[in-house]
Amino acid sequence: NAGVTQTPKFQVLKTGQSMTLQCAQDMNHEYMSWYRQDPGMGLRLIHYSVGAGITDQGEVPNGYNVSRSTTEDFPLRLLSAAPSQTSVYFCASSYDGRGTSEQYFGPGTRLTVT
Amino acid sequence: RKEVEQDPGPFNVPEGATVAFNCTYSNSASQSFFWYRQDCRKEPKLLMSVYSSGNEDGRFTAQLNRASQYISLLIRDSKLSDSATYLCVVNRRGSGDKLTFGTGTRLAVRP
Repeated sequence: NAGVTQTPKFQVLKTGQSMTLQCAQDMNHEYMSWYRQDPGMGLRLIHYSVGAGITDQGEVPNGYNVSRSTTEDFPLRLLSAAPSQTSVYFCASSYDGRGTSEQYFGPGTRLTVT
Repeated sequence: RKEVEQDPGPFNVPEGATVAFNCTYSNSASQSFFWYRQDCRKEPKLLMSVYSSGNEDGRFTAQLNRASQYISLLIRDSKLSDSATYLCVVNRRGSGDKLTFGTGTRLAVRP
């Protein structure tokens, strides 16, 4: 199993550009989520999904969209990039989405917005 | 007050030392507690869950004190490979079982 994969690993955007961060998992996990990690702050939840066709907002959803058309994929779209979105983005999945389940993280995408 | 607070460190210890980290949480309704490990520029990985009765996994011991709302992680006989950032993670009942991550405590083990 590849586990959770993310592409790209690095990305530089100009303010106002849009892009999609890709996330896929091959563990047949129902629950997938996106976090961002900034210096001096813990990982913060952006959006999450409890199954195909179902998504919901986390703590910091503004400026991001998600969709979940399949169990395997959970892309994160930046609509109009801003410097405040410079961060490291982690996708995660877990078997049942409960807080008691182990979260499996992807390797992360380092995004810089200039 | 942050929901989960940790001393950022760094804790700089020699190989073989015993080191302890504490983490406090503010929500008394929290039910599940974890320690994750994050290596430099890598993703977090689950180190261990923290149970009410305390639990041990090899050189690692985790304790929970509900009355004082803190969690601890003890590492005995530190190895160079233990150098990493340790994240305290708490789940919040009543909010879809979402996780709250601490900012992490950095450990550097020197030869």
